[in-house]
Amino acid sequence: GQNIDQPTEMTATEGAIVQINCTYQTSGFNGLFWYQQHAGEAPTFLSYNVLDGLEEKGRFSSFLSRSKGYSYLLLKELQMKDSASYLCASLDSNYQLIWGAGTKLIIKP
Amino acid sequence: SAVISQKPSRDICQRGTSLTIQCQVDSQVTMMFWYRQQPGQSLTLIATANQGSEATYESGFVIDKFPISRPNLTFSTLTVSNMSPEDSSIYLCSVGTGESQPQHFGDGTRLSIL
Repeated sequence: GQNIDQPTEMTATEGAIVQINCTYQTSGFNGLFWYQQHAGEAPTFLSYNVLDGLEEKGRFSSFLSRSKGYSYLLLKELQMKDSASYLCASLDSNYQLIWGAGTKLIIKP
Repeated sequence: SAVISQKPSRDICQRGTSLTIQCQVDSQVTMMFWYRQQPGQSLTLIATANQGSEATYESGFVIDKFPISRPNLTFSTLTVSNMSPEDSSIYLCSVGTGESQPQHFGDGTRLSIL
């Protein structure tokens, strides 16, 4: 079956760094997406990885290991506005997105 | 990225009625999708809206309950038919320009059924 696992909830402190992990098992693999979703809003695209390694975009970085079926989203210099849910989604062999349940990130002052 | 307008943004409906949700994009897009998101849950794909042909539904979703239209490359509608309280959810349209391209979402329709 197809499965995406990520922690349900994480708490971090303003100014700190947090890493949100995601493991996936899908029928084929065509890339891994991360989305941010603030409460009551639609998801917004953060990053896409299809090759192994780290992709950096400002305060956010995303890592992929295809051999391990593993990705993480790294958020640096955390700000209160980063409090949101972070959704991991794997693109399977049919180019269909398989979504994780999301990680709710709580930032404390 | 494309600007996606979804209407209505929210509605409260009576049991047994139907509601049509519209999704308008400001540019032509290859793919349009309809999702449902229960409170605190992740996204569940209802169907892929195909231009000029019948939508492709995911397991557990049927055309009679969720008829979808996509008359052109910039517009689609989702109808939630014969609604029951279990249909209370957020419904989201998303668009994609290619198979490995990110999907971008409309603001969603928050639907409550009494």
